[in-house]
Amino acid sequence: TQLLEQSPQFLSIQEGENLTVYCNSSSVFSSLQWYRQEPGEGPVLLVTVVTGGEVKKLKRLTFQFGDARKDSSLHITAAQPGDTGLYLCADAGNNRKLIWGLGTSLAVNP
Amino acid sequence: GAVVSQHPSRVICKSGTSVKIECRSLDFQATTMFWYRQFPKQSLMLMATSNEGSKATYEQGVEKDKFLINHASLTLSTLTVTSAHPEDSSFYICSAYRRETQYFGPGTRLLVL
Repeated sequence: TQLLEQSPQFLSIQEGENLTVYCNSSSVFSSLQWYRQEPGEGPVLLVTVVTGGEVKKLKRLTFQFGDARKDSSLHITAAQPGDTGLYLCADAGNNRKLIWGLGTSLAVNP
Repeated sequence: GAVVSQHPSRVICKSGTSVKIECRSLDFQATTMFWYRQFPKQSLMLMATSNEGSKATYEQGVEKDKFLINHASLTLSTLTVTSAHPEDSSFYICSAYRRETQYFGPGTRLLVL
């Protein structure tokens, strides 16, 4: 059974700081997705990465996929209060099902 | 495009009653929908896969007689929590599958008193 670990579990920072969160898998990802979920809402897909070594940018967010396709990182530059939420990684290749990490809960304080 | 809605967004009920939650794909058809449960500050836990025109597939440990799923059309799946108890209080989220992507609804907060 594939296990996804996310770290840190909780993170509280000040507005303007940079941060990186991580997602590590016990086995190779089929494809990796990152989601952000705001309190009381459903998750929203941020990005899908498939190729080892791939880097994708979404405004202030940079996503890296490890060469071996077993790990990924999400870096946020100059965090803003609107970035607050639960960041979830998931493996999207399991017969339409998603295998979820436990999430990183981020709080960006004004 | 790819908008999923849930109704109600929030429900409070008495112990022993049944509650129905609707999940609709508003601008696309979905043969497969998923139902999740989530506790505060935790990840999503898959409860079942809802297949249009056939029986739902439940994950291990999820009681199918407790959580009834009906996927009657290509745009609607319903989850009924039967004889709800306080331990069923949670955030329930659905998703609809389209083109290798799950699109999530906004969730339903259930509180059983």
